[in-house]
Amino acid sequence: QKEVEQDPGPLSVPEGAIVSLNCTYSNSAFQYFMWYRQYSRKGPELLMYTYSSGNKEDGRFTAQVDKSSKYISLFIRDSQPSDSATYLCATIKAAGNKLTFGGGTRVLVKP
Amino acid sequence: GAVVSQHPSWVICKSGTSVKIECRSLDFQATTMFWYRQFPKQSLMLMATSNEGSKATYEQGVEKDKFLINHASLTLSTLTVTSAHPEDSSFYICSAREGLNTDTQYFGPGTRLTVL
Repeated sequence: QKEVEQDPGPLSVPEGAIVSLNCTYSNSAFQYFMWYRQYSRKGPELLMYTYSSGNKEDGRFTAQVDKSSKYISLFIRDSQPSDSATYLCATIKAAGNKLTFGGGTRVLVKP
Repeated sequence: GAVVSQHPSWVICKSGTSVKIECRSLDFQATTMFWYRQFPKQSLMLMATSNEGSKATYEQGVEKDKFLINHASLTLSTLTVTSAHPEDSSFYICSAREGLNTDTQYFGPGTRLTVL
């Protein structure tokens, strides 16, 4: 079993819809959580970084962390075709060095 | 935000040759750099972690004599794929971490290696 599980998709939504992405993790030592966006043949781009349970909002993006359930989510409001990409969740242990990635979810926003 | 560059962005080489990929942090000093490999439609796989001035730490299953990593300065790390073979064809991505008291890694744009 992978330490971080993520549905590979693809997830197809119409433009303007809310995109809902999530990951589950198994190791309670993971304390910090990130969401990256990766366009085809490009490096990942950091979108959100959280370290406590609850919500964090940045523009159209909202990240949620529920440490009791070991569940993290990313919501994208008013989705645009330019949001079509692969979204990777990642986590790291406190005082850790290495990111552990989920497998990535491919999102397609249709105009 | 912090910027990490990679060079070249893509390279095609013949089997048996060596290829060097550079990773630079452009506007910050990176005490730690990471090298990842990504196959099509798969997530990133960490290959090694390098700290400036010391030997790289390789992940299990990664051949250190094949993938040579040098982190000679706080802004530059290099990955050399020695005696490349077609199975080494992949997307290689580096990331850099600024300082020791941060968990945020900034990724480079990646280098696509094709070995004929």
